[in-house]
Amino acid sequence: EADIYQTPRYLVIGTGKKITLECSQTMGHDKMYWYQQDPGMELHLIHYSYGVNSTEKGDLSSESTVSRIRTEHFPLTLESARPSHTSQYLCASSENLGGGNTIYFGEGSWLTVV
Amino acid sequence: SQKIEQNSEALNIQEGKTATLTCNYTNYSPAYLQWYRQDPGRGPVFLLLIRENEKEKRKERLKVTFDTTLKQSLFHITASQPADSATYLCALAGSGNTPLVFGKGTRLSVIA
Repeated sequence: EADIYQTPRYLVIGTGKKITLECSQTMGHDKMYWYQQDPGMELHLIHYSYGVNSTEKGDLSSESTVSRIRTEHFPLTLESARPSHTSQYLCASSENLGGGNTIYFGEGSWLTVV
Repeated sequence: SQKIEQNSEALNIQEGKTATLTCNYTNYSPAYLQWYRQDPGRGPVFLLLIRENEKEKRKERLKVTFDTTLKQSLFHITASQPADSATYLCALAGSGNTPLVFGKGTRLSVIA
């Protein structure tokens, strides 16, 4: 069982609102990730972090921002939500970067912007 | 550009049969290939990892093959059960410190 937690699980917000999706892991992993997944579609990496004070953009451009002030915490923020941001956001972590490492995912945050 | 294709969006098989899922890739030379299971509304869960110099990996009823010549991985579930019904994702990464890239997944339904 992965020790990675996301809140909220489900959220409906209005256009223009600011939203922060929380992600915490208790495994002490340095590497953390945010993926975006629309229903029936592939996971797209939008942000990742090598460790504290490190953030990188993924292969899918996103208007969201992330921060990594503590090892265990990797929140994602949308300053002004739009309907196009409606999606599932999955947080994940791994001990190291690279394909030889298992990625542990949270349960996901379903965001609906109306 | 790099592309990962998983054979079909959905696969239906009878309970007890072997399910075979395909992952093909182009414009890519992965050093690692991983398979994950994703249930509806949940995050993916790791199943198996295979390296480029390995031909086959097994874990209980699961078997993965990796053919770098054909640029293909096959994922087998033997003696399938209705509880195996889920979406199965393949993911690839190069040899460096690069994040995994995921395929779209194949939705498997095992019918009792």
